[in-house]
Amino acid sequence: QVQLVESGGGVVQPGRSLRLSCTASGFIFSSYAIHWVRQAPGKGLEWLAVLSYDGSVEYYADSVKGRFTISRDKSKNTLWLQMNSLRVDDTAVYYCASQGGTWHWGQGTLVTVSS
Amino acid sequence: DVVMTQSPLSLPVTLGQPASISCRSSQSLVHSDGNTYLNWFQQRPGQSPRRLIYKVSNRDSGVPDRFSGSGSGTDFTLRISRVEAEDVAVYYCMQGAHWPLTFGGGTRVEIK
Repeated sequence: QVQLVESGGGVVQPGRSLRLSCTASGFIFSSYAIHWVRQAPGKGLEWLAVLSYDGSVEYYADSVKGRFTISRDKSKNTLWLQMNSLRVDDTAVYYCASQGGTWHWGQGTLVTVSS
Repeated sequence: DVVMTQSPLSLPVTLGQPASISCRSSQSLVHSDGNTYLNWFQQRPGQSPRRLIYKVSNRDSGVPDRFSGSGSGTDFTLRISRVEAEDVAVYYCMQGAHWPLTFGGGTRVEIK
């Protein structure tokens, strides 16, 4: 059974950094593209970034380009989202999702950027 | 970036009645490979999203056949033939034809 678990969320001050993790089980991690999507409180879904199945291609939304970076460790079935220069408007639930035959989503992790 | 515009924002529906959600894109979603990459996601209250439809009209496994997708180019529709209580959710279209991927703003389906 495909399962994705995000972790690493919390409260952080503006300008600081945070690294989110997405740990996968039940499928071959390196077979699927992995996306990050976020949802600000009471708002809609915003696509942020993707790492291709083989790790060769990354794309980012303009809102996070240059501040957020995706990386992964295939041996640990884990993908990370390094978030730098965080802003108040980065406050959201962050989801990772695998794109295989369908999209499988994690439960999300809440990031609150506040002074 | 491709802008995805959904309407209506909110859709009150009587149980057993049909519902229809529109999604328009600012550019054609026909990819150079000939496919049209338009997805529909459902997000029930308190839950993670779930994909219902891919490439305009293909239902994901386990999705009831009361859900259907149609459209072409820049104009797409999600239809629920007979709304059930479990369909109360926010529905999002998402284009996968151009980077960056982009979602519509969402349509909230509620029971009247």
